[in-house]
Amino acid sequence: NAGVTQTPKFRVLKTGQSMTLLCAQDMNHEYMYWYRQDPGMGLRLIHYSVGEGTTAKGEVPDGYNVSRLKKQNFLLGLESAAPSQTSVYFCASKNPDYIANTGELFFGEGSRLTVL
Amino acid sequence: AQSVTQLDSQVPVFEEAPVELRCNYSSSVSVYLFWYVQYPNQGLQLLLKYLSGSTLVKGINGFEAEFNKSQTSFHLRKPSVHISDTAEYFCAVSLAGGSYIPTFGRGTSLIVHP
Repeated sequence: NAGVTQTPKFRVLKTGQSMTLLCAQDMNHEYMYWYRQDPGMGLRLIHYSVGEGTTAKGEVPDGYNVSRLKKQNFLLGLESAAPSQTSVYFCASKNPDYIANTGELFFGEGSRLTVL
Repeated sequence: AQSVTQLDSQVPVFEEAPVELRCNYSSSVSVYLFWYVQYPNQGLQLLLKYLSGSTLVKGINGFEAEFNKSQTSFHLRKPSVHISDTAEYFCAVSLAGGSYIPTFGRGTSLIVHP
């Protein structure tokens, strides 16, 4: 059981380049999230999705786009990377409380992105 | 909206000593509370959670936390830490039974010295 898988795990980009991070979960979860983690800032929510075909903005959405075409996948895109987007990105998933009243998020292992 | 405050950004402690990591939250409605642990270069994993019932919650690796509604706190404790407990610890809160956006604290770095 893989859980939540993120690819790639590491990436170096030049300013202005674009890229996509892929998150895949095999737990049939409805909700999926993209966070970024920066020193001293904790986890900040970028975008989230409450179901296939739906997405919504989180706390820090600027410069990012997302898509949830399939229930198991949640893609995070950077159209024109900036050095301020150097960070560790985490994907997470869970089910709504009315389906599985456990509440917790399941996280991937992270994707470390450096923008030069 | 709910919020979470982790009062200490870093907690140094010697091996086999007790430790407490503090977490306070604010919310006008009932909440679920969580502690997650992040070991170096890894993702977050659930340490323990409070949904309802007994206010003393036991988790993995000998950790426990107590939900105190009057003080809006959910402090994490361990009576005797090991070197392997060195990690980042995150407190999180979500609205009970209906929220899909949990709120995380900024994290506390637990550093265990030999």
